[in-house]
Amino acid sequence: SQQGEEDPQALSIQEGENATMNCSYKTSINNLQWYRQNSGRGLVHLILIRSNEREKHSGRLRVTLDTSKKSSSLLITASRAADTASYFCANNYGGSQGNLIFGKGTKLSVKP
Amino acid sequence: GAGVSQSPSNKVTEKGKDVELRCDPISGHTALYWYRQRLGQGLEFLIYFQGNSAPDKSGLPSDRFSAERTGESVSTLTIQRTQQEDSAVYLCASSLLGHEQYFGPGTRLTVT
Repeated sequence: SQQGEEDPQALSIQEGENATMNCSYKTSINNLQWYRQNSGRGLVHLILIRSNEREKHSGRLRVTLDTSKKSSSLLITASRAADTASYFCANNYGGSQGNLIFGKGTKLSVKP
Repeated sequence: GAGVSQSPSNKVTEKGKDVELRCDPISGHTALYWYRQRLGQGLEFLIYFQGNSAPDKSGLPSDRFSAERTGESVSTLTIQRTQQEDSAVYLCASSLLGHEQYFGPGTRLTVT
């Protein structure tokens, strides 16, 4: 299976704290993407990091990519209750420009 | 502009019946994807359409599953002789080639 894995599977923090989620993958990639899912329905794209990039920022989000370790991390700073959701990493692997291989996700709970 | 839409939002069907799920992608997006998500799980790739190329059907779990796409517009996912194990949320996404995917709200299928 090419499916990656996120850890932890679940994370519970207080509002204002930082949340860090990690993702590992198995194949070479074109890019790696992070998505958020609320209430088990549609996913929202958060950030895309290409294989030749090491770090990327978007607002309160910071993503790192280590291709030598086949891993990525998503940091959410100054978390808010509204950040409560499941977070998935997905890799766009070298075999295709198309489908993404998603991990099983990290369920983040931010308590007010 | 309009996002990806899917219909129906919920579908309850009896075991053995056929179902057809519809996806309307974002206008201009050449790539369209179908995923399946079982309760509490990550996304499972089913099929990918890119322009007029032959679709990547490598994720379809059995020959009961099929999908069609008319040009670069609507796609339908058909499940024949539904089984209880087919119960899941079916998510459609569209994108420009190599770019992030935009997801629809999904169709929740329940097979009784």
